[in-house]
Amino acid sequence: NAGVTQTPKFRVLKTGQSMTLLCAQDMNHEYMYWYRQDPGMGLRLIHYSVGEGTTAKGEVPDGYNVSRLKKQNFLLGLESAAPSQTSVYFCASSIQEPQFSNQPQHFGDGTRLSIL
Amino acid sequence: GESVGLHLPTLSVQEGDNSIINCAYSNSASDYFIWYKQESGKGPQFIIDIRSNMDKRQGQRVTVLLNKTVKHLSLQIAATQPGDSAVYFCAENRLKGRRALTFGSGTRLQVQP
Repeated sequence: NAGVTQTPKFRVLKTGQSMTLLCAQDMNHEYMYWYRQDPGMGLRLIHYSVGEGTTAKGEVPDGYNVSRLKKQNFLLGLESAAPSQTSVYFCASSIQEPQFSNQPQHFGDGTRLSIL
Repeated sequence: GESVGLHLPTLSVQEGDNSIINCAYSNSASDYFIWYKQESGKGPQFIIDIRSNMDKRQGQRVTVLLNKTVKHLSLQIAATQPGDSAVYFCAENRLKGRRALTFGSGTRLQVQP
């Protein structure tokens, strides 16, 4: 059982480059989330999705776009990478809203992104 | 592994002692709280949760206490083991619509053998 898989695990970009981070879950979860984690801080929500074809902004959405074309995949895009986006990115999924589930959010192991 | 939370508050305990990790939450409207454990190079792992209609909830070696009056949450770990060494985060569902979680900045627990 793979759970939540993030691709790639590491990436270095130059300022202005674009890239897409892929998150895949095999648990048939409706909800998916993208967070970023910076030193000395907890996870901050970038965008989330409550089902296939839906997306919503989180706490820090600027500079990122997302798409949920298939239920099992949630993509995070950086159109023009900036050094401030250097971070560790975590994807998570849940069967429904966290407070109504006996199985809260399941997390992937993260993507470390460095922007020079 | 990666270094998470270079400037996190740190709690250092002896193996076998009990640990108490504290968290202050921000929104009195939050009605669901979770504790997560994060080991180096890994994503957060669910430990225990509690709803606002409860004051206490116990799991295996862990207890979460909720004080809504002062908006305080604590995680107690009994008989702390070296494998408990990690960063611990509390989270609440305070965002509008309550469909996602907001995380605290974390506490690093170091267990001395």
